[in-house]
Amino acid sequence: DTAVSQTPKYLVTQMGNDKSIKCEQNLGHDTMYWYKQDSKKFLKIMFSYNNKELIINETVPNRFSPKSPDKAHLNLHINSLELGDSAVYFCASSQKTGPGRAEAFFGQGTRLTVV
Amino acid sequence: AQSVTQLDSHVSVSEGTPVLLRCNYSSSYSPSLFWYVQHPNKGLQLLLKYTSAATLVKGINGFEAEFKKSETSFHLTKPSAHMSDAAEYFCVVSMVGSGTYKYIFGTGTRLKVLA
Repeated sequence: DTAVSQTPKYLVTQMGNDKSIKCEQNLGHDTMYWYKQDSKKFLKIMFSYNNKELIINETVPNRFSPKSPDKAHLNLHINSLELGDSAVYFCASSQKTGPGRAEAFFGQGTRLTVV
Repeated sequence: AQSVTQLDSHVSVSEGTPVLLRCNYSSSYSPSLFWYVQHPNKGLQLLLKYTSAATLVKGINGFEAEFKKSETSFHLTKPSAHMSDAAEYFCVVSMVGSGTYKYIFGTGTRLKVLA
């Protein structure tokens, strides 16, 4: 069973379109994240949700809107796509708190290409 | 604020020789540190983690890392490189805020293994 799954794996779309990426985790974690990996492989956090509540918003353009219908799902909707949005987007989840200071579990990534 | 610095963007080793990937961290309190690996066009896999228990941490695939507070380092090592180790490696520190974790990535080290 895949712990963190995202769909689609690849997404090619034209500038100006609106697209969504879906993410689901079956680990029972309270916290989910979206990260963006640029062409130089640098990973930067975009959003974090804790039990459906937005916790972290790292000054991402408001064309990006995360939505968490329940704590197992965190979707990312992107409006008016731009060339600079081309990247690999990773979903992740972790435990909210705990003595073990848990690691994050990552999905396989969604490679978004805007043409 | 927490941060990590990966000192080498590229490392090349011959198969069968030791691997050393360097990471220094900055943290205002006792950090949780992780190493993740990303194989080409794949997701992120946890290699190992340090969470204030033993300072020498063993991970998967023969990797280990030693937490040295005096040097603020968490270098990743492996005694003998294998061709399958060729990948991108990320040192990660977690910081706690608003009751959740935020994972901050280093810029990555690309490991090349020569036959």
